[in-house]
Amino acid sequence: DAEITQSPRHKITETGRQVTLACHQTWNHNNMFWYRQDLGHGLRLIHYSYGVQDTNKGEVSDGYSVSRSNTEDLPLTLESAASSQTSVYFCASSETSANGELFFGEGSRLTVL
Amino acid sequence: SQQGEEDPQALSIQEGENATMNCSYKTSINNLQWYRQNSGRGLVHLILIRSNEREKHSGRLRVTLDTSKKSSSLLITASRAADTASYFCATDATGGGNKLTFGTGTQLKVEL
Repeated sequence: DAEITQSPRHKITETGRQVTLACHQTWNHNNMFWYRQDLGHGLRLIHYSYGVQDTNKGEVSDGYSVSRSNTEDLPLTLESAASSQTSVYFCASSETSANGELFFGEGSRLTVL
Repeated sequence: SQQGEEDPQALSIQEGENATMNCSYKTSINNLQWYRQNSGRGLVHLILIRSNEREKHSGRLRVTLDTSKKSSSLLITASRAADTASYFCATDATGGGNKLTFGTGTQLKVEL
């Protein structure tokens, strides 16, 4: 069965370190998204991609970067982790259409000390 | 900024009762979607309603959309303990390119 997987599921890091969260989907979807979820804010869009070599900034992109070298993967990098980036991160994908539902991964819980 | 705002923030009901959650949004949309999230898990798509639709059903779910009021409601009939979860509305804004904007969610607790 097709799926979308995130790793690691839990990570603790220190302020200033670089962190990469992996996202891999086997749906062959062109669209991929990264959201963060915080209490009181719901899910907020960080970065998104409509295909290989395409990346775009979302609502809360400062301090984050993504790259899309193939269809299956969209890794999210925190160049210098800050305590404000402690959150649960969700990757999602969708087909290329105007009415696409999102398929979500199980989330990566990141704690920055 | 949040496109969708859910109301109420939390809802506690008895098994067998109906649960109604409301969502308001700010801009014109292509469609509105509802998602469910069990504690510690990812979001799961429940139902999508297009901007030219007013009501849609799926099993025990009924969704309405009023584009003039920029609001939607999700009704879960005959709720079960397994329906306990957080429910989020998400909007695909017109010209938004399938980027969904999520509300803050409603926490539903269904007690036996």
